[in-house]
Amino acid sequence: DQQVKQNSPSLSVQEGRISILNCDYTNSMFDYFLWYKKYPAEGPTFLISISSIKDKNEDGRFTVFLNKSAKHLSLHIVPSQPGDSAVYFCAADYGGSQGNLIFGKGTKLSVKP
Amino acid sequence: DAMVIQNPRYQVTQFGKPVTLSCSQTLNHNVMYWYQQKSSQAPKLLFHYYDKDFNNEADTPDNFQSRRPNTSFCFLDIRSPGLGDAAMYLCATRGTSATYNEQFFGPGTRLTVL
Repeated sequence: DQQVKQNSPSLSVQEGRISILNCDYTNSMFDYFLWYKKYPAEGPTFLISISSIKDKNEDGRFTVFLNKSAKHLSLHIVPSQPGDSAVYFCAADYGGSQGNLIFGKGTKLSVKP
Repeated sequence: DAMVIQNPRYQVTQFGKPVTLSCSQTLNHNVMYWYQQKSSQAPKLLFHYYDKDFNNEADTPDNFQSRRPNTSFCFLDIRSPGLGDAAMYLCATRGTSATYNEQFFGPGTRLTVL
């Protein structure tokens, strides 16, 4: 059973518009949520995170929203740029010192010029 | 630049022939992780080390072993690779003093089993 789900395998957006990537989770014990970005032939790189006690975190063009009651989070990229084209992974963490992450399958974002 | 390095980037082995993948880090992080990622799938945690303490995930096959001789290095040994073990193997690190639980990933080793 997948505890972290990214139901859209792919998303195509025009440059300058907003990209919205969605993630759902099943376990209310998750304490922390992270988004990673992955280019081909590279490892995932950390993008932005949010604690379960918050509902929004912003970093430049990237904003993550958390809706705990719906067990849903989303990543907004505004404005989208062609360099944002990558696979985006949502990950969840139970917290604690071990920091084990549970990943979703990823969403491939294509930003068209 | 502080980083996580994986060698080799591409590894080809034969069915049943043992293979070792290598990971090193210059971040001086306490925790090191090994993930397996198959095409279009989520990265799946195999095991991790917290300092010298080894933590195996319950569903990691016995065929997979790991060694961490020191803080900087961690190895993944696949004793008898099967065709189903062909995947990208990702190494990651995490510092325990981190404010956020972010993990830093290496570029991965793509394993092909013939």
